[in-house]
Amino acid sequence: DIQMTQSPSSLSASVGDRVAITCRASQSIITYLNWYQQKPGEAPKVLIYGASSLQSGIPSRFSGGGSGTEFALIITSLQPEDSATYFCQQTYSVPYTFGQGTKVEVK
Amino acid sequence: QVQVQESGPRLVEPSETLSLTCTVSGGYVSNSYWSWIRQSPGKGLEWIGYIYNSGSANYNPSFKSRATISVETSKNQLSLRLSSVSAADTAVYYCARGHYVTYHYMDFWGKGTTVTVSS
Repeated sequence: DIQMTQSPSSLSASVGDRVAITCRASQSIITYLNWYQQKPGEAPKVLIYGASSLQSGIPSRFSGGGSGTEFALIITSLQPEDSATYFCQQTYSVPYTFGQGTKVEVK
Repeated sequence: QVQVQESGPRLVEPSETLSLTCTVSGGYVSNSYWSWIRQSPGKGLEWIGYIYNSGSANYNPSFKSRATISVETSKNQLSLRLSSVSAADTAVYYCARGHYVTYHYMDFWGKGTTVTVSS
């Protein structure tokens, strides 16, 4: 199985800050990488697919990049509603696997 | 807008079979990929498997053939059966539609249903 490792596990930032979350794959997954946002009591919601494509309806302050084994989710100008846990997921090969999550707190 | 809703028993006894149903509206189970995913504090998000073309399925080997996903097109539903459950199968179970054009990602999710395995 491809292992997905996210860092940091949690972070705290202020409104307006730029935030970066990293996801590392245990082998190359080219750009078969998705990012999800999950708020307490809710299902995950896709933000980014294919490493860098913004899902329809998602604010442009979210962006993604990377390829191979190193990926990043960037939130520019952090907003209060961005307080959530973020997960990466690889869909390069079965079984699909997720990172352990990064909890973002907005101060 | 596709809407997805999971349903099934909230409590299952150890060694029994967990059976969940996912009801889809605003779309068709027959023309998409559909995944079951679960989430627990100990293991995080785990992809269980997906079904497509109303019958072809792909599973996470971690479930060692315990999992079976099927579709009932007449009811626009899909189901998950997980046999020989233990406390480790206690989790929130989600049904999600897979958008699969070049990249595969889950774009519509149910709210999830919490299943506890306990006697």
